[in-house]
Amino acid sequence: EPEVTQTPSHQVTQMGQEVILRCVPISNHLYFYWYRQILGQKVEFLVSFYNNEISEKSEIFDDQFSVERPDGSNFTLKIRSTKLEDSAMYFCASKRGGSTDTQYFGPGTRLTVL
Amino acid sequence: GENVEQHPSTLSVQEGDSAVIKCTYSDSASNYFPWYKQELGKRPQLIIDIRSNVGEKKDQRIAVTLNKTAKHFSLHITETQPEDSAVYFCAALVGRLYFGRGTQLTVWP
Repeated sequence: EPEVTQTPSHQVTQMGQEVILRCVPISNHLYFYWYRQILGQKVEFLVSFYNNEISEKSEIFDDQFSVERPDGSNFTLKIRSTKLEDSAMYFCASKRGGSTDTQYFGPGTRLTVL
Repeated sequence: GENVEQHPSTLSVQEGDSAVIKCTYSDSASNYFPWYKQELGKRPQLIIDIRSNVGEKKDQRIAVTLNKTAKHFSLHITETQPEDSAVYFCAALVGRLYFGRGTQLTVWP
């Protein structure tokens, strides 16, 4: 069964550095998402992406964040200047289509900002 | 925006007992309610979902009920097993998914 994949599984970076988190959604899916989960807390929506543009973003997704689909398979989240509070697990998700289609989550990237 | 509340935050049951987790939501426009199971260090995995035109859905030992009038929905796990131990998240969809805070379920053998 196809799965969403993410790389790297763990990223350690210094405060102020840029990081790029990578995701490969399921191949026939059209809607892509990034979520984050601070340790021990709920999963929080960051951004949704469809048809090569952002369709919705949360208040967390400020100017430090950007997303891109550079080719037909990858979906990336860039954090330009990381802060300590960006430390979290970042999950990518995708769904095929339709508002109530299931979102399938990737295994996550644990980002640690020192 | 939507606000999803989930209770309890922790739940311990003996193997074979039933477990019930409850969620409420605030936005009557929410029309889809998935439940995700997350084992330690792993991805959230969908275990069951319900759409707003249905009141109840069952899949083997797992069932979900939805009360649109009261804006609450519940997850029921019967005949619990130790491998059911995980964090369970409810969510509501209105444009995007809004998650509850999660319930740590522990099933003791």
